[in-house]
Amino acid sequence: AQSVTQLGSHVSVSEGALVLLRCNYSSSVPPYLFWYVQYPNQGLQLLLKYTTGATLVKGINGFEAEFKKSETSFHLTKPSAHMSDAAEYFCAVSDRGSSASKIIFGSGTRLSIRP
Amino acid sequence: EAQVTQNPRYLITVTGKKLTVTCSQNMNHEYMSWYRQDPGLGLRQIYYSMNVEVTDKGDVPEGYKVSRKEKRNFPLILESPSPNQTSLYFCASSFAGVVTEAFFGQGTRLTVV
Repeated sequence: AQSVTQLGSHVSVSEGALVLLRCNYSSSVPPYLFWYVQYPNQGLQLLLKYTTGATLVKGINGFEAEFKKSETSFHLTKPSAHMSDAAEYFCAVSDRGSSASKIIFGSGTRLSIRP
Repeated sequence: EAQVTQNPRYLITVTGKKLTVTCSQNMNHEYMSWYRQDPGLGLRQIYYSMNVEVTDKGDVPEGYKVSRKEKRNFPLILESPSPNQTSLYFCASSFAGVVTEAFFGQGTRLTVV
């Protein structure tokens, strides 16, 4: 069965510092991987996704993530945090073999930015 | 504008009083689903639908019903709400297929007292 583990329910960084949000997945087949962001009182929106090809994926707002098969990881990074990055971030996995478009979400990481 | 619209955004109700949360999308997506979001648990899928008249249970279907009579609409029905269904609910839609992005509604915060 697929699963997603996000390490750290809350991460706090200073403005301008590196953002690193950790995600590890478990899947019996090569997965599709996603990062979604949820701003306060809003729904989720896609930050980036990995399907095939290049393992370093760039998304919106300066975020990127690297798929590392050997480590079963898909960590999200941003070189320099901005106050507007404060939000909750969800890592998600979709079974490559599934026909149901089912996405399994991690428990989320709340990112706070200190001035 | 492409969007998924949920109504209402906020709802307080009493135990046992039937309610419906509506969801509509304007992107001609085949796939629609309902999630509930609870602190520390992330999003858990309640029900999903692959197309009109095709629905199936997700991970936490107990206490919920859905229907898909039209492609654009996917209402969530709570026949007899209980306090443990107090949660934040999201509707999502996407084209059928594994790689597609899911589009989410703004959420419905439900409180059952």
